[in-house]
Amino acid sequence: DAGITQSPRHKVTETGTPVTLRCHQTENHRYMYWYRQDPGHGLRLIHYSYGVKDTDKGEVSDGYSVSRSKTEDFLLTLESATSSQTSVYFCAISETDSVQETQYFGPGTRLLVL
Amino acid sequence: KNEVEQSPQNLTAQEGEFITINCSYSVGISALHWLQQHPGGGIVSLFMLSSGKKKHGRLIATINIQEKHSSLHITASHPRDSAVYICAVSFGYDMRFGAGTRLTVKP
Repeated sequence: DAGITQSPRHKVTETGTPVTLRCHQTENHRYMYWYRQDPGHGLRLIHYSYGVKDTDKGEVSDGYSVSRSKTEDFLLTLESATSSQTSVYFCAISETDSVQETQYFGPGTRLLVL
Repeated sequence: KNEVEQSPQNLTAQEGEFITINCSYSVGISALHWLQQHPGGGIVSLFMLSSGKKKHGRLIATINIQEKHSSLHITASHPRDSAVYICAVSFGYDMRFGAGTRLTVKP
């Protein structure tokens, strides 16, 4: 199994509060991704990173920001959580881009925004 | 309309049956992925393919680039194959996912 951990694994928070999710990898892979998974929508890309301090937006980036100050850590921040951000969040990693290689997924974080 | 459509959404089979899950996509792609999501939520990559066919154990994946269609076959299905199977297409950094097919194999 790829060495990917996510923290926290479960979180309940209130609307308007900031939330930060952490993805940590021990594989030294260059690419890291944040997805959200909602019923009926499948996985959707929020943000991705192609190196330290190099990030870009995905399909559903509004309301989210990311940071990558070290190869091994990719943080996802909800500046002011809303109920529409209740979801399961998955981090993924890959050594090269998704055309050349599969992605390896973390265990997921369940976030409930009340 | 989703760029990746899977059918069926739900599938129930008896142990030993041959299973087919279909995936159609509407965009130009560089590669197609099949993933398995276990009941506990973990996601595992099964195949990545850009042409032809790949086989791993009882799983076979095929792709027809001209028809923008892929199939995942499971031979001699087993209850442990019960999971959600997800098709995804990739182009560059981006991946787009289907909503998944929930497979239940009964003993």
